Amino acid sequence: AQTVTQSQPEMSVQEAETVTLSCTYDTSENNYYLFWYKQPPSRQMILVIRQEAYKQQNATENRFSVNFQKAAKSFSLKISDSQLGDTAMYFCAFTQGAQKLVFGQGTRLTINP
Amino acid sequence: SQTIHQWPATLVQPVGSPLSLECTVEGTSNPNLYWYRQAAGRGLQLLFYSVGIGQISSEVPQNLSASRPQDRQFILSSKKLLLSDSGFYLCAWDRGQNQPQHFGDGTRLSIL
Repeated sequence: AQTVTQSQPEMSVQEAETVTLSCTYDTSENNYYLFWYKQPPSRQMILVIRQEAYKQQNATENRFSVNFQKAAKSFSLKISDSQLGDTAMYFCAFTQGAQKLVFGQGTRLTINP
Repeated sequence: SQTIHQWPATLVQPVGSPLSLECTVEGTSNPNLYWYRQAAGRGLQLLFYSVGIGQISSEVPQNLSASRPQDRQFILSSKKLLLSDSGFYLCAWDRGQNQPQHFGDGTRLSIL
């Protein structure tokens, strides 16, 4: 069974700093997709970024970028120039197309002023 | 553009009462639909998903059921709620394989 592990339950950084959230996953498949979702205090689930496993280039979305290491099964999220609005729970998720997303347990990120 | 509506936003129910949470998607056809439950401070647990009208797959045996009476409508139900049914319920949709899921605003369910 596929599993997703986020080893950092909580993180805290100062505004404008760069922070990296870790995610590892376990699969025997070669083609799959990875996502980072953000859940602010309002509890909406918001898609942050998406990575396709067959693409070697790391995905980027403005201040958000990933470090995808396929051999190591690692998919970390880097937030540059962090802002107060980045405070949220961040979930790493994995799918290989079976209509199912497998989520990690989340990392609670706090951006301090 | 596509939107997903989920209601109610908050619900307080006594133990043993029935439940009906509704989710509808607009702006797309034949979406995959999902119900998740999220315990406080925890990740998401997939409860049900549906790839078409009347087609429901259950991920975990429990006190809940789901139905999809129309293409863009997904309903989560229970005949008799338990204390353990408390939680935050999220509905989501996607276009198919490997596409990102888009979530509703959630329902906070408290059982007394």
